[in-house]
Amino acid sequence: QLQLQESGPGLVKPSETLSLTCTVSGGSINSGTYYWGWIRQPPGKGLEWIGSFRYSGSIYYTYYNPSLKSRVTRSVDTSKNQFSLRLSSVSAADTAVYYCATGPSDVVTDRWYYMDVWGKGTTVTVSS
Amino acid sequence: QSVLTQPPSVSGAPGQRVTISCTGSSSNIGAGYDVHWYQQLPGTAPKVLIYGNSNRPSGVPDRFSGSKSGTSASLAITGLQAEDEADYYCQSYDSSLSGLVFGGGTKLTVL
Repeated sequence: QLQLQESGPGLVKPSETLSLTCTVSGGSINSGTYYWGWIRQPPGKGLEWIGSFRYSGSIYYTYYNPSLKSRVTRSVDTSKNQFSLRLSSVSAADTAVYYCATGPSDVVTDRWYYMDVWGKGTTVTVSS
Repeated sequence: QSVLTQPPSVSGAPGQRVTISCTGSSSNIGAGYDVHWYQQLPGTAPKVLIYGNSNRPSGVPDRFSGSKSGTSASLAITGLQAEDEADYYCQSYDSSLSGLVFGGGTKLTVL
């Protein structure tokens, strides 16, 4: 059974870089047809897609939310079956619950279709 | 401001039917991209309820159904139960943004 678990610091100072890791069990990040990525939810607000990637033919196809693209970087450690998110120059507006998730790719857009397995989420607060 | 528009709240009595709308535009739902629906119970991660406009993952009761027409989509819940009280989100793809977009969410209250 595929499971995802987020980990990272609960508190980050303004202007610093937020780093989160998602550990995958019960499946491989290099499965090819599945996308992996991050979604966040500010307190009392809705969901926001941050970025996603899939691995195929030795290539990582990566997409970021245009509103966050200049500050986001993803990395992958296949030996640990983990993927990570780095968000730079954080501010209070980045305070949120951060979820990692996975799901199939869309045959039409070749982008992330929907999320069918989610981690439990990790709360990140940006404050001095 | 979310790209997909949902009513902030809906309510219904146990046993009744409610619908939640999700309105988009010509760059997302109206362009033919599929709509997916998630249920988020308090304090938990979202769970997919409907994918590909009208498909239910295994384990989701057939009380939940989805449809799409033009630039909008709808989630219908029949035979409302107390455990359906949750936040519901629609999601699609937007070609102008080249990314995934969500609705702002709808809080369902079972009276």
